[in-house]
Amino acid sequence: AQSVTQLGSHVSVSEGALVLLRCNYSSSVPPYLFWYVQYPNQGLQLLLKYTTGATLVKGINGFEAEFKKSETSFHLTKPSAHMSDAAEYFCAVSDRGATNKLIFGTGTLLAVQP
Amino acid sequence: EPEVTQTPSHQVTQMGQEVILRCVPISNHLYFYWYRQILGQKVEFLVSFYNNEISEKSEIFDDQFSVERPDGSNFTLKIRSTKLEDSAMYFCASSEARAGVYGYTFGSGTRLTVV
Repeated sequence: AQSVTQLGSHVSVSEGALVLLRCNYSSSVPPYLFWYVQYPNQGLQLLLKYTTGATLVKGINGFEAEFKKSETSFHLTKPSAHMSDAAEYFCAVSDRGATNKLIFGTGTLLAVQP
Repeated sequence: EPEVTQTPSHQVTQMGQEVILRCVPISNHLYFYWYRQILGQKVEFLVSFYNNEISEKSEIFDDQFSVERPDGSNFTLKIRSTKLEDSAMYFCASSEARAGVYGYTFGSGTRLTVV
């Protein structure tokens, strides 16, 4: 069964530093890939997605992610962290038609230090 | 930007009571979903709904759960007899196409507390 692994349940960076949140998926057929952000006591907001085409995907709030088939990865990056980026980030995948559900990783809580 | 609307934002209920969580998906979306997130855990799929029937459900979605689209706009999740372990944040989502090729849009959630 499809699974998603997010390495690091907690990541702490300094304001202005690079943000790197890791996500790996398990299937041999590349799924559709998503990153969602959840601010405290709020819902899930889509940051970006990869379905087809260019493997470097740009999203909202300056985030981007690169799909690497050879590494079965879809890591999320931002060149310079801002205090407002502190939130929980979820990587999720959906199969390309086998099922219609999203499978989420366990999440990474990003803390941004001043 | 179109939104998925969920009501109520917070519901407290006694164990054994029935609850109905309500959602208004985005109007031109065809696929509807419920997910839940127990405090401190990951988001889990419950059920997907298309063309007025359940298209997929997880092992969590047992006989205590049901979904309905009673009219052209609402999508509801009913828990027939709540248990303490049903306490969670419940998210409704919708998508325009299968497998979220254009993305899934989530509501802001209903926090259900069973006491």
